[in-house]
Amino acid sequence: DAMVIQNPRYQVTQFGKPVTLSCSQTLNHNVMYWYQQKSSQAPKLLFHYYDKDFNNEADTPDNFQSRRPNTSFCFLDIRSPGLGDAAMYLCATSRASPGLAVTDTQYFGPGTRLTVL
Amino acid sequence: QKEVEQNSGPLSVPEGAIASLNCTYSDRVSQSFFWYRQYSGKSPELIMSIYSNGDKEDGRFTAQLNKASQYVSLLIRDSQPSDSATYLCAVNGDGRTGGFKTIFGAGTRLFVKA
Repeated sequence: DAMVIQNPRYQVTQFGKPVTLSCSQTLNHNVMYWYQQKSSQAPKLLFHYYDKDFNNEADTPDNFQSRRPNTSFCFLDIRSPGLGDAAMYLCATSRASPGLAVTDTQYFGPGTRLTVL
Repeated sequence: QKEVEQNSGPLSVPEGAIASLNCTYSDRVSQSFFWYRQYSGKSPELIMSIYSNGDKEDGRFTAQLNKASQYVSLLIRDSQPSDSATYLCAVNGDGRTGGFKTIFGAGTRLFVKA
């Protein structure tokens, strides 16, 4: 089945120790998103790729970086995790075209729960 | 700042009743509207999408959109305990001007009592 896969599902890291979260998709969607979601809060968009074009949200800390080496994969790098970065990290994909009046549904992966000790 | 507002709840309804969830949004150029269900510790899953004014029905779910009032709602008929979850309202901008971003509300927690 076509899907969005995130690895690992649970990640424990130490304060300041770099961590990389991965996302892969078999939907062949051209847009990929990374969200951070804390308890009882809305998912917060960190950045998204439209094809290879990277779009960073203005309030995303520099501590968060992303790479998309090909259509299927996208990575979230947290260079120096702090206690406040503990959250669920959600990857999502959608299909979009420039000039389209509407944008398509986002499909979410299962998420990676990050714990910072 | 584009916003999507929802009542955080919790909204409690008895089994078999109709649950009514509401959402308002601030960006008038918004074109696509979605309702996602999120169980605790899980990722959001799509329940309904709606693009035009009026009602859209899918099984026990009905989405209602009023662009003039910048209002979108979700009705759940014959509510079941398995419907107990957080419901996220999500709004997409016009792909030409607003990019491909989705703005999520903080969600309404629904409890269906057996």
